[in-house]
Amino acid sequence: GESVGLHLPTLSVQEGDNSIINCAYSNSASDYFIWYKQESGKGPQFIIDIRSNMDKRQGQRVTVLLNKTVKHLSLQIAATQPGDSAVYFCAENRPANDYKLSFGAGTTVTVRA
Amino acid sequence: KAGVTQTPRYLIKTRGQQVTLSCSPISGHRSVSWYQQTPGQGLQFLFEYFSETQRNKGNFPGRFSGRQFSNSRSEMNVSTLELGDSALYLCASSPGINTGELFFGEGSRLTVL
Repeated sequence: GESVGLHLPTLSVQEGDNSIINCAYSNSASDYFIWYKQESGKGPQFIIDIRSNMDKRQGQRVTVLLNKTVKHLSLQIAATQPGDSAVYFCAENRPANDYKLSFGAGTTVTVRA
Repeated sequence: KAGVTQTPRYLIKTRGQQVTLSCSPISGHRSVSWYQQTPGQGLQFLFEYFSETQRNKGNFPGRFSGRQFSNSRSEMNVSTLELGDSALYLCASSPGINTGELFFGEGSRLTVL
């Protein structure tokens, strides 16, 4: 079965607001998580990653939070822009799975003008 | 630097036929992975190649096969096509192995009639 899963399949956000996309994982041995963004007609694009020895990591307008206690991670997008409209996937990569990326189902983010 | 190039972008086949998809990785990248993306199953790992060797294989039937050439270009083949093989086939490359940061192409959209 799926080892990473997203909480909501869709998210509608007002332009300029912050977006929060959530993801849960089931395997406590998972130690490396990645977020990807897929725009319509394109392949997934790497956004940011985080290892299990970290709780938080920041990039440009994005922050990933990892809560190992409840096996939850989230992607926060600050000041959401129309170009942020896409499907967002969380994925895990762990040695026990031979480092094969295991993707969640995806959350479709729609930015309202 | 050119991105990952996949050909053909779109193709239509009938049941029972076979298909070969091609992937040219980013220059210098030696690892190539293939994923199948469908609305129902999401992104599923097919296989990974590094230095012409298959390192990992996903849970797909033997009708799905692949190979990598000495220049890191890769091909995947699906024989005896079934309707359920209709999907977007994504190729991703990375400089090395055991990384979550993959660079995806735009995919080959296969429709089986």
